[in-house]
Amino acid sequence: NAGVTQTPKFRILKIGQSMTLQCTQDMNHNYMYWYRQDPGMGLKLIYYSVGAGITDKGEVPNGYNVSRSTTEDFPLRLELAAPSQTSVYFCASTQGGRNTIYFGEGSWLTVV
Amino acid sequence: DQQVKQNSPSLSVQEGRISILNCDYTNSMFDYFLWYKKYPAEGPTFLISISSIKDKNEDGRFTVFLNKSAKHLSLHIVPSQPGDSAVYFCAASEEGAQKLVFGQGTRLTINP
Repeated sequence: NAGVTQTPKFRILKIGQSMTLQCTQDMNHNYMYWYRQDPGMGLKLIYYSVGAGITDKGEVPNGYNVSRSTTEDFPLRLELAAPSQTSVYFCASTQGGRNTIYFGEGSWLTVV
Repeated sequence: DQQVKQNSPSLSVQEGRISILNCDYTNSMFDYFLWYKKYPAEGPTFLISISSIKDKNEDGRFTVFLNKSAKHLSLHIVPSQPGDSAVYFCAASEEGAQKLVFGQGTRLTINP
């Protein structure tokens, strides 16, 4: 009963370091998303993918990269971490259409 | 440019009474609206949705109302229960767009 799984759950990064947030889903969903949530703000879309090999930018893509080599996995890469990237990151997936979008439990990232 | 707005950051309601959460949007191309519920340290979970061809959708204690002319929707919870205490996000999407735009969220507290 895994659904959408994100790792790590918590991470502290130093400015300039890089890291990858992992996301995998076991529902064979075509669509996957990365959102970030800042305090008092809604979820902002970073990147999304409509299928393996296809990715596109969302509202706030700067400072991030993604890849989608398989249907199951959608990792989010931070190349040069900045304090502005301190946030909670949510991965999500859906079959498409008006089907429910399922979210992972979130990854708390602090850049110091 | 906040296309989906939840102007009340918080709401406190007595157990058993009605909770009304409000959401406004500016994009007239939105045709599908959703409410998500989020507990601390968890990802958002889908609650209820409504298509723009309807003005009301009901699911148990939860009812969503849509007023297209006012670009306003609301979520009614009746009767409110302690387990309803959470942050509620309003979200919207355009036809054919597999992306959700979220509001800032409203923290609902149900008092015994």
